[in-house]
Amino acid sequence: AQKVTQAQTEISVVEKEDVTLDCVYETRDTTYYLFWYKQPPSGELVFLIRRNSFDEQNEISGRYSWNFQKSTSSFNFTITASQVVDSAVYFCALSGKETSGSRLTFGEGTQLTVNP
Amino acid sequence: EPEVTQTPSHQVTQMGQEVILRCVPISNHLYFYWYRQILGQKVEFLVSFYNNEISEKSEIFDDQFSVERPDGSNFTLKIRSTKLEDSAMYFCASSVWRGGNQPQHFGDGTRLSIL
Repeated sequence: AQKVTQAQTEISVVEKEDVTLDCVYETRDTTYYLFWYKQPPSGELVFLIRRNSFDEQNEISGRYSWNFQKSTSSFNFTITASQVVDSAVYFCALSGKETSGSRLTFGEGTQLTVNP
Repeated sequence: EPEVTQTPSHQVTQMGQEVILRCVPISNHLYFYWYRQILGQKVEFLVSFYNNEISEKSEIFDDQFSVERPDGSNFTLKIRSTKLEDSAMYFCASSVWRGGNQPQHFGDGTRLSIL
């Protein structure tokens, strides 16, 4: 069985602060895929990033960066210089190897509030 | 940019009634999904669909649920006899191909309210 844990239920920061959202996962698959989705107040789910289990290279995209560490089963997400528009619920998700289907297992989500 | 379209955005239904939620996946995508999110909770997988048949379903997807691709563009979720606990946001998603490495693109969701 797969499991995703986002221990931080809510985070509140002041604009321009950096913030890191934690994600820890469990899976028996040797090949798996990790995702982050953003859910703004309007309710839609927006795909942000996908990482493969065999690629531990971390990535920076603008103000976003991701830290994937297989040794600790973590896939953390950092927003640099946060803005009010970053306020949303952020979900970490996991999917198994190709032959076992492609269902996404989501974490509980972290509500990020960025205050002006 | 192509997107997944869901209708209606909000559906209010009496308990015991049948409801059909509709989705138009991205046109070149072949794999389709339904998820639900009870208010304030995490997103839960319901079912995946490929080549006109169910590929995988969760324990939530019991006999009251069914999915169908009635034509070349629509993908529907039917709930036969709705219960109060079916109240949730239902998301449709699609991906180019199956396989966990394919990002699933979600629609804006249908909020289902059972009275």
